[in-house]
Amino acid sequence: SQTIHQWPATLVQPVGSPLSLECTVEGTSNPNLYWYRQAAGRGLQLLFYSVGIGQISSEVPQNLSASRPQDRQFILSSKKLLLSDSSFYLCAWSVTESLRTDTQYFGPGTRLTVL
Amino acid sequence: RKEVEQDPGPFNVPEGATVAFNCTYSNSASQSFFWYRQDCRKEPKLLMSVYSSGNEDGRFTAQLNRASQYISLLIRDSKLSDSATYLCVVNGRYSTGGFKTIFGAGTRLFVKA
Repeated sequence: SQTIHQWPATLVQPVGSPLSLECTVEGTSNPNLYWYRQAAGRGLQLLFYSVGIGQISSEVPQNLSASRPQDRQFILSSKKLLLSDSSFYLCAWSVTESLRTDTQYFGPGTRLTVL
Repeated sequence: RKEVEQDPGPFNVPEGATVAFNCTYSNSASQSFFWYRQDCRKEPKLLMSVYSSGNEDGRFTAQLNRASQYISLLIRDSKLSDSATYLCVVNGRYSTGGFKTIFGAGTRLFVKA
């Protein structure tokens, strides 16, 4: 069966510091991978998605970036965190069985607080 | 108009009640539909897919109305453990030729003893 891991679970960082969040998927190959964030009491905001190694699409201009160095690894980074980056960051994967379906499965998330 | 709209609630219902949520979507080319459940401070989890013919899973029934562009979720015999936020999710083809998955902001449900 497939599993998705994210770490760390919680993180407190000072403003201006760098960020690196990691997501890995097991039990599948060539998954679609996604990074979302969710502010408290708000909906999901898609940040990046990837359909393959080295292929990253950005949905919203941010001070964030993403990379996919390996098939089942997705990394979210920032060179300098802002206060507004405090949020709940979620990684998700899907296997696009056809062009019509895209059931996404989420990791446990990283709760980031920027002080 | 938002691409996927839900009543944010909250819906406060007693145990045993039946509660229904609706969700409307704007892209008539949408192809697949889902309901997710999200507990407080947790990740969303797939509850069920929604098919044109409707589908049922225990106390949960999902319906799709393509003509009116909405999907619904019905929960019968509500349990305290049903308290959560329910997210409507729509996947559809856009004019650019690609597919996109849109999450609604969610409807909060509180089931009271």
